[in-house]
Amino acid sequence: EIVMTQSPATLSVSPGERATLSCRASQSVSSNLAWYQQKPGQAPRLLIYGASTRATGIPARFSGSGSGTEFTLTISSLQSEDFAVYYCQQYNNWPPGGTFGQGTKLEIK
Amino acid sequence: EVQLVESGGGLVQPGRSLRLSCAASGFTFDDYAMHWVRQAPGKGLEWVSGISWNSGSIGYADSVKGRFTISRDNAKNSLYLQMNSLRAEDTALYYCAKNLHMDVWGKGTTVTVSS
Repeated sequence: EIVMTQSPATLSVSPGERATLSCRASQSVSSNLAWYQQKPGQAPRLLIYGASTRATGIPARFSGSGSGTEFTLTISSLQSEDFAVYYCQQYNNWPPGGTFGQGTKLEIK
Repeated sequence: EVQLVESGGGLVQPGRSLRLSCAASGFTFDDYAMHWVRQAPGKGLEWVSGISWNSGSIGYADSVKGRFTISRDNAKNSLYLQMNSLRAEDTALYYCAKNLHMDVWGKGTTVTVSS
């Protein structure tokens, strides 16, 4: 089973600054990596797929990079609505599965 | 409008069964893989099960393997999750999601396993 590890668990950043979130896979997932944003009481929303392709309607301040085992989600110039929990998810070894990281909570500094 | 609507959740005793449904609309259902993902209260996301467009490929998390069965009916634009031998640790909000990279999610249905 592929294990996804996100860091840090919590990230405190001021509005207008840049946030960098990391995700590491226990083995290569090629570019089959997605990022999701989840706000309290809401379903997750797809931000990035294929490691670097923004989903429909996602602002350009969200960008993804990486391949293999190391991935990064960068949010440039944080807006108030960006403070949420972010998850990475691999879908390389499907079937059987698409494991998630444990999440990074992005909070206002 | 692309939409997924889950149903079938509820309160169930340990060891009993429950069947979740997910009704899809607004897209060609049989073009896409589908998933079930759950989230225990205050916890992160856990992938539960996935099924390919034609049901030819199916996968399960180790935590539910042998107890849960995923299926789909493309004629009815519906996804299902049969959950047997339920445990307290299965208590969660269960989402269905579309596509390998989950580009559309439902609002979820709550399953509570308790005596």
